[in-house]
Amino acid sequence: QVLLVQSGSELKNPGASVKVSCKTSGYAFSSFSMTWVRQAPGRGLQWVGWINTNTGNPTYDQGFTGRFVFSLDTSVSTAYLQISSLKPEDTAVYYCARVNSGFYSLDFWGQGTLVTVSS
Amino acid sequence: SYELTQPPSVSVSPGQTVSITCSGDKLGDKYVSWYQQKPGQSPVLVIYQDVKRPSGIPERFSGSNSGNTATLTISGTQAMDEADYYCQAWDTSTSYVFGTGTKVTVL
Repeated sequence: QVLLVQSGSELKNPGASVKVSCKTSGYAFSSFSMTWVRQAPGRGLQWVGWINTNTGNPTYDQGFTGRFVFSLDTSVSTAYLQISSLKPEDTAVYYCARVNSGFYSLDFWGQGTLVTVSS
Repeated sequence: SYELTQPPSVSVSPGQTVSITCSGDKLGDKYVSWYQQKPGQSPVLVIYQDVKRPSGIPERFSGSNSGNTATLTISGTQAMDEADYYCQAWDTSTSYVFGTGTKVTVL
């Protein structure tokens, strides 16, 4: 079955960096793009952007350019989200989700990774 | 940037029907999906391409999309349907923008 398993919770100081992983299984990794979604505590879902797992080309939504970087390791079917220069307002759960372009939707999600930024 | 607006909350009695709206400019020209999120869990896709249900989603979930409004309807609502619901629109200009979210309470 399709699985997206994310790395564990992180506690970081302001100004530090974090790298969240999303390891996939059960499907052809390069056949489906991957998206990242942020959910701040008690808030709604916010689309961060997506990466084409075939070409490696990323697209970032407004407000997520510069400090947010998507990457891939196709040899282990894993996508990554790196956030640099962390700010307290980056505190959130970050989800990876598979893009089903035929459905125009996100059909499988990871369990989420809580990133807490605090001194 | 493109915005999708949902009512913050709706309530429904068990067994009754509840509808959740999602409003956006010319939303009917875009594909709309709906996600259910229960506390502490990841979102789950319940409707895609406006009206279609993924495998395993009960028939009581249905969707529509026309003009500036998309609607998710839950018929015969059950206690297990209590959750937050998010609409999402896709097109080449908006990519995957999410709605503001609606909390459904089953009284």
